[in-house]
Amino acid sequence: DQQVKQNSPSLSVQEGRISILNCDYTNSMFDYFLWYKKYPAEGPTFLISISSIKDKNEDGRFTVFLNKSAKHLSLHIVPSQPGDSAVYFCAASDDNTGKLIFGQGTTLQVKP
Amino acid sequence: NAGVMQNPRHLVRRRGQEARLRCSPMKGHSHVYWYRQLPEEGLKFMVYLQKENIIDESGMPKERFSAEFPKEGPSILRIQQVVRGDSAAYFCASSSLSNEQFFGPGTRLTVL
Repeated sequence: DQQVKQNSPSLSVQEGRISILNCDYTNSMFDYFLWYKKYPAEGPTFLISISSIKDKNEDGRFTVFLNKSAKHLSLHIVPSQPGDSAVYFCAASDDNTGKLIFGQGTTLQVKP
Repeated sequence: NAGVMQNPRHLVRRRGQEARLRCSPMKGHSHVYWYRQLPEEGLKFMVYLQKENIIDESGMPKERFSAEFPKEGPSILRIQQVVRGDSAAYFCASSSLSNEQFFGPGTRLTVL
């Protein structure tokens, strides 16, 4: 039972263009969403988060959008840089437990 | 300003041996989470602990796995009588009162 899904295993974009990573969830009890970036042989690094009371959160080149009715969130990176090449995980949490439910990850490659 | 520390970074065990994975949370963090990442998969929640208490162990296999977070010292994830299917990357995360969890570099367990 995959409650958080990232349906695109990989994405390739040109440097300077926008990267859009998508994530869908099924559990309407989730009220907090996070994006993590992961390089090989390292732990996930927190990027940006959004509470369910918001529909957008922006931090520099990173913006997360939340569509609660569609149970969908997306991460926009603009402009994309080669150093952004990594695996991106979305994760969801319900406030009661604190545990994170992760998607399968999307590998982003930004070409110079 | 040390982040989450995990050791060892790599651990090799033969089938039937015990594996002990250690996690020291960030300074000031009292919540510890363990996650497992199998090859080609996302991270899966295992257990959530606070000092001297297991809060949620719904992701822990019923047998051979145990976790503790004593009053003094690191959190320990213990796997008894390891099998090949236990080979994975094990990540520890810590948090304070917020939902943001900060991850350690992981321990890569290989069972021969």
